[in-house]
Order: sequence, then structure tokens, then C-alpha cells
Amino acid sequence: AQSVTQPDIHITVSEGASLELRCNYSYGATPYLFWYVQSPGQGLQLLLKYFSGDTLVQGIKGFEAEFKRSQSSFNLRKPSVHWSDAAEYFCAVGDYNQGGKLIFGQGTELSVKP
Amino acid sequence: GAVVSQHPSRVICKSGTSVKIECRSLDFQATTMFWYRQFPKQSLMLMATSNEGSKATYEQGVEKDKFLINHASLTLSTLTVTSAHPEDSSFYICSANRKNYGYTFGSGTRLTVV
Repeated sequence: AQSVTQPDIHITVSEGASLELRCNYSYGATPYLFWYVQSPGQGLQLLLKYFSGDTLVQGIKGFEAEFKRSQSSFNLRKPSVHWSDAAEYFCAVGDYNQGGKLIFGQGTELSVKP
Repeated sequence: GAVVSQHPSRVICKSGTSVKIECRSLDFQATTMFWYRQFPKQSLMLMATSNEGSKATYEQGVEKDKFLINHASLTLSTLTVTSAHPEDSSFYICSANRKNYGYTFGSGTRLTVV
């Protein structure tokens, strides 16, 4: 069965510091992987997605993620965090091309210290 | 682009009444839409997959008679929470899948049952 694990429930980083949010997945076929961000009371915004090809994916707002098949991971990174990055981040896996459902991880809440 | 509009954004209803939530794909046709439920500080849990012109597919544990889904056109899916009770209070989010864009989410509906 498909599953997504985000080991860190809450992370706090200082503004300007680098960030890495972890994501591990379990999926029987080639995964389609996504990272979303959610501000309180809001819907989800897509940061980036991986379907195939280059394993280093660039997204919006300066985020990137690297797909590592051997580790079943799709970690999200940002070299320098801004206060406005404080939000909830969700990793998800889905069978996109088949119109399949999206399975979410538990989410990681990011707090940014001034 | 791929825009999904969800209405209402907030609704308060009395216990025992029904509430309808609409999800529209504004600039594309969506044969499949997804309905999620999110409790505070928790991840998104898929409730059902809405298929245009056919019955919805519900996830295990979701009461199909309580959460009625109708996907009458390629741009509209509705979720009706019937005989709502306080425990149905939650954040409901819809999503649609567009090829080459990925999954796009509505802005969510905050349902409060009093």
C-alpha cells in the first residue's frame, strides 16, 4: 500500500538558515511525488513535483527537492529561509497519470525564528 | 493554468441540517475530483474520489450515505454533509487533477456544526 512518512512533526529554524524537510514514501511503482505548503485556514499550494527525469527538482519560492530512489526519499530543501516560509508542509505520493488518488504525509510544521 | 474554486469558504450550520459544498474547475475539465477532510493540526485524509457521470468511490470508513458526492458535470463536484453533527465539524478540501499541472486544490471549506 502507498504511504508517506514525514518524520519531523515540527521544525524550528532561524531566518536565513538552511532548511531540509524529510519525506519517505512507500510505493509499488514509479512514484509521482509532490510537496505542498499550507498556511493556516487555507488550501494547499503546490511547491514542486517529480514525475520523471532529473532527480533534482526546482520549485517555487526557492524550494528544491531531490528524489532518491535507493532511499525512497524526496526531501525538500531551501538554502535560506524567510519568515514568510512559516507554514505546514506536506509531502504526497500519487499515481497522477492514472488519475489516481494522492496520499499525504502527516505534515511538518515549520516555525521561523527572527 | 489550473484553478479550482471551492465554496463556501466557511459555513456554520445547526445540528441535523445538511450542508452542500461546491468544487469547480474553472479553466479545465476534470473527470475526477477528490474530497479530503482535515482535522486541526492533522494531515489530509482522502474521503472519496468523485467521478463524472458515475458513483463516487469512498475510502474505507467513510459513510457514503452521510457524505453525498455528486459529479454532474466535468467542472463541478459537490459534497453534501447530511444530518450534520458537531463531530462533522472539520476543514474540507477538494482537488482536481489536470494533466501536466498535477493536482490543484480548492481553498477549503471550514464547516462548523453547532
